[in-house]
Amino acid sequence: DVVMTQSPLSLPVTLGQPASISCRSSQSLVHSDGNTYLSWFQQRPGQSPRRLIYKVSNRDSGVPDRFSGSGSGTDFTLKISRVEAEDVGVYYCMQGTHWWTFGQGTKVEIK
Amino acid sequence: QVQLVQSGAEVKNPGASVKVSCKASGYTFTGYYMHWVRQAPGQGLEWMGRINPNSDDTNYAQKFQGRVTMTRDTSINTAYMELSRLTSDDTAVYYCTKEATYSTFDYWGQGTLVTVSS
Repeated sequence: DVVMTQSPLSLPVTLGQPASISCRSSQSLVHSDGNTYLSWFQQRPGQSPRRLIYKVSNRDSGVPDRFSGSGSGTDFTLKISRVEAEDVGVYYCMQGTHWWTFGQGTKVEIK
Repeated sequence: QVQLVQSGAEVKNPGASVKVSCKASGYTFTGYYMHWVRQAPGQGLEWMGRINPNSDDTNYAQKFQGRVTMTRDTSINTAYMELSRLTSDDTAVYYCTKEATYSTFDYWGQGTLVTVSS
């Protein structure tokens, strides 16, 4: 199984400041079709997960442009340019190249 | 609009089975795989498997092979996940989620809490 490792697991952030979450996979996420199937999800307290980013860097409609995804191969990053109060929650990366596995989650909270 | 509506919370004894339903609307049910993901209390997300509602083909995570069965009823646009031989470790919220292009999940059900306790 592909193991997804996120860091940090806890991320206290000051409102208006940037935040960055790392996600590393145990093997390359480049599919035989040439695509890299890496997504990011946000889970607010008491809610179902919500997709933010798919195929590494494609933002879902309705997702604020302060969220961005980047990376390649085995190393990926989710960035929030300026954290707002509504961004509090747990963020998961997920790979869909070799079946599906999730990272452990990163809890974003306001300092 | 796409909606996935799941059945209500369940309490089961150890050793029993549970069957959770997921009713889809707002899209062509047979056109997209339906996946099941679970989340133990305070823990992360765990992929369990998927079903092709058109062909009835299934793929299960190795961890759940032999214990999970995913089915569907296309006449009512509903997918089911049945988990047998429950233990306390199966206490979790179970989600159905629709697969989208690029091997990702675009819509999620509200979740069904399954509690296993004697």
